[in-house]
Amino acid sequence: RKEVEQDPGPFNVPEGATVAFNCTYSNSASQSFFWYRQDCRKEPKLLMSVYSSGNEDGRFTAQLNRASQYISLLIRDSKLSDSATYLCHGGSQGNLIFGKGTKLSVKP
Amino acid sequence: EAGVVQSPRYKIIEKKQPVAFWCNPISGHNTLYWYRQNLGQGPELLIRYENEEAVDDSQLPKDRFSAERLKGVDSTLKIQPAELGDSAVYLCASSLQDTGANVLTFGAGSRLTVL
Repeated sequence: RKEVEQDPGPFNVPEGATVAFNCTYSNSASQSFFWYRQDCRKEPKLLMSVYSSGNEDGRFTAQLNRASQYISLLIRDSKLSDSATYLCHGGSQGNLIFGKGTKLSVKP
Repeated sequence: EAGVVQSPRYKIIEKKQPVAFWCNPISGHNTLYWYRQNLGQGPELLIRYENEEAVDDSQLPKDRFSAERLKGVDSTLKIQPAELGDSAVYLCASSLQDTGANVLTFGAGSRLTVL
């Protein structure tokens, strides 16, 4: 049931850079989308929900493009502490699926 | 408030042995999930409970895996017998099911190594 696809990366970026990840989904009926952050050998933790109108939380911006069936996560002014794997989670009610995750490494 | 509690954190067993994992969700969360996560992969859903009812167990390998959530609170996931390919992190998560949101809170996971 590979309905959610992510570029595994790794994305290697310098501090202060802007980086964006996409997550495509195949089920046009998908309604709910989230971004989770997972540090090495830790559990995933909710980063932000993705709303139809898009949403922003500090340096992080999430957007939904229903026409092209993808969600995106934009990180501005990257910090070393942003290094982690970013998992998208999406689908229809009761049938949400995680992507494989995109690994981000922010270098000094 | 305590988060999702899982035990054991680590388990090493030989193949063909049984193993069990326990999860206590956040108080009041009616939905409980068991996921399996292999290295470099995203979490894969094994089973989802709403209260004490298993509403999605389509990805649970029923020949060797079983789960229960008696009384609709804590839950156990059992593997018997374990195989080498079962080595993974088993994550429990819970959520408060409402009209649309499915925000998950995960436990720290149980890392299983099958030798």
